[in-house]
Amino acid sequence: QITLKESGPTLVKPAQTLTLTCTFSGFSLSSGGVGVGWIRQTPGKALEWLGLIYWNDDKRYNPSLKNRLTITKDTSKNQVVLRMTNMEPVDTATYYCAHKRGYCVSTDCYEYDWFDPWGQGTLVAVSS
Amino acid sequence: SYVLTQPPSVSVAPGQTARITCGGNNIGSKSVHWYQQKPGQAPVLVVYDDNDRPSGIPERFSGSNSGNTATLTISRVDAGDEADYYCQVWISSGDHLYVFGTGTKVTVL
Repeated sequence: QITLKESGPTLVKPAQTLTLTCTFSGFSLSSGGVGVGWIRQTPGKALEWLGLIYWNDDKRYNPSLKNRLTITKDTSKNQVVLRMTNMEPVDTATYYCAHKRGYCVSTDCYEYDWFDPWGQGTLVAVSS
Repeated sequence: SYVLTQPPSVSVAPGQTARITCGGNNIGSKSVHWYQQKPGQAPVLVVYDDNDRPSGIPERFSGSNSGNTATLTISRVDAGDEADYYCQVWISSGDHLYVFGTGTKVTVL
């Protein structure tokens, strides 16, 4: 069974950097094709994809936030870390990490473009 | 940027069929995935690749996708289906991007 759980601060001040950790179990981020994504949900319920890290340390970021995001992984700890700089009140949201399935056949790797499952989410407020 | 438009709300009586649309430019050329989100919970995948269901999802959930509209259909709706539903696609041209729909609240009357 795959599970993920986000952890980090519930409140950050404007201009600060947010660091969130996703701790997962039930899969390995060293398995070919596998990824972990970050998605956030605003208080108005809109979902926004933030970024993604793959088993081979390849990373993809939402172009609109690319300059503020860094995603890293620690395979030995089964953790993925999201860093978002220069936080603003509009970044107030529930932040989710999610598993992204994939597989490799010989040297060819394939990914599925949906997220399943998701962590429970963590609410982050940005306020002075 | 690519936009996925959903109706804000859909109301349906128990036992009837709910249809939730997801509009996007030539969405029929993309694979569409659907998530269900109940209050206070994380989204759960209910349909992937237009019309496939993950294990554990009832057959009452089905999907279709053609032209500029994808549709999630929930047959024989019951109170447990009351939730927000989101469509999602992957945009591979140019920037690598995952896009979510605006979300639809399904209310069971």
